[in-house]
Amino acid sequence: DVKVTQSSRYLVKRTGEKVFLECVQDMDHENMFWYRQDPGLGLRLIYFSYDVKMKEKGDIPEGYSVSREKKERFSLILESASTNQTSMYLCASSPTGHLYGYTFGSGTRLTVV
Amino acid sequence: RKEVEQDPGPFNVPEGATVAFNCTYSNSASQSFFWYRQDCRKEPKLLMSVYSSGNEDGRFTAQLNRASQYISLLIRDSKLSDSATYLCVVDVAAGNKLTFGGGTRVLVKP
Repeated sequence: DVKVTQSSRYLVKRTGEKVFLECVQDMDHENMFWYRQDPGLGLRLIYFSYDVKMKEKGDIPEGYSVSREKKERFSLILESASTNQTSMYLCASSPTGHLYGYTFGSGTRLTVV
Repeated sequence: RKEVEQDPGPFNVPEGATVAFNCTYSNSASQSFFWYRQDCRKEPKLLMSVYSSGNEDGRFTAQLNRASQYISLLIRDSKLSDSATYLCVVDVAAGNKLTFGGGTRVLVKP
């Protein structure tokens, strides 16, 4: 089974802090994604990556950056956390092509106070 | 028009009944279709892929209607454990990414 592991299940950070959310997958998938999910707004794509050191903006990249130095690891960085970034963050991975869909990590519930 | 659109529900279903719901998508060139299930405060999990000829997995049946650009999910003999949000997922956008619908909430009641 593909495993996507997110480093923290729950996180509480202060406004203005730099926050790192880590995601690691163990199936050699090329593609990795970061979403946030909020009630009534569904899943919104923040950033994605098709290869090491490669990144592309999703639908809501403002206030975020990403890093993919190794194929298995995709990090989401909140440069200066704000209260409106309180959300559930979900990492996903997939092999090249759409045949198998995405596999998600269990999510990080981030609260910014 | 949203790229992938679902009725948010909730669909209140008596235990043992059949429930069906649809999802419409905007891009006629889309090739990949999935249904995901998401339980409260958990991550989405792949329920089934949707093939052109339609496919079945136990009590779940998925259909694709390319002419009208929608996919459907039917759940037979509903169980209490089927209560969840069902997400429709389609490759409407260019490139190697999928687009998620907002989800349809299903509540199965005794």
